[in-house]
Amino acid sequence: KQEVTQIPAALSVPEGENLVLNCSFTDSAIYNLQWFRQDPGKGLTSLLLIQSSQREQTSGRLNASLDKSSGRSTLYIAASQPGDSATYLCATFGNQFYFGTGTSLTVIP
Amino acid sequence: GAVVSQHPSRVICKSGTSVKIECRSLDFQATTMFWYRQFPKQSLMLMATSNEGSKATYEQGVEKDKFLINHASLTLSTLTVTSAHPEDSSFYICSARIITGGTDTQYFGPGTRLTVL
Repeated sequence: KQEVTQIPAALSVPEGENLVLNCSFTDSAIYNLQWFRQDPGKGLTSLLLIQSSQREQTSGRLNASLDKSSGRSTLYIAASQPGDSATYLCATFGNQFYFGTGTSLTVIP
Repeated sequence: GAVVSQHPSRVICKSGTSVKIECRSLDFQATTMFWYRQFPKQSLMLMATSNEGSKATYEQGVEKDKFLINHASLTLSTLTVTSAHPEDSSFYICSARIITGGTDTQYFGPGTRLTVL
């Protein structure tokens, strides 16, 4: 069974800092990996989806990388803003989604 | 992008009652929908996979007689929590799967917060 781990569990940074969220997974037989944002009490907002054949995806200040061979993905957030405060989830998709436990990010104004 | 809706967004019920949650794909047909549950400060856990016109496949530890899933059409799946108890209080999220052009993608609904008193 796939296990997805996210480190750190919580992160607090001052506004303007660049930061990296880490995601690791045990089974590299995946179709894609997706990063989501979840605000308290809300559903999921898809941020970036990386197909298994891709190495990275970028959207605005966000960049996600995927290294299947090592079972790792990173989400890079540039010039963080208070509005980026949320929980960030990574999930692998093979036959089903497996979610990590998330990184709770707080960006301090 | 594709949109998935859930109804209701929030429900409070008494212990012992049944609650139905709807998941709809608004602008595409989904042969497969998934139901997830998320307890506070935990990640999403898959409960069951719902295929249109066939019985749902439940994950280990999920009671199929308690969590009834119906996928009667390509745009609608329902989850009924029967005889709900306080321990069933959770955030329920559905997703709909679309495969097009060799790309396999799931779109998530906004979730339903169930509180059982």
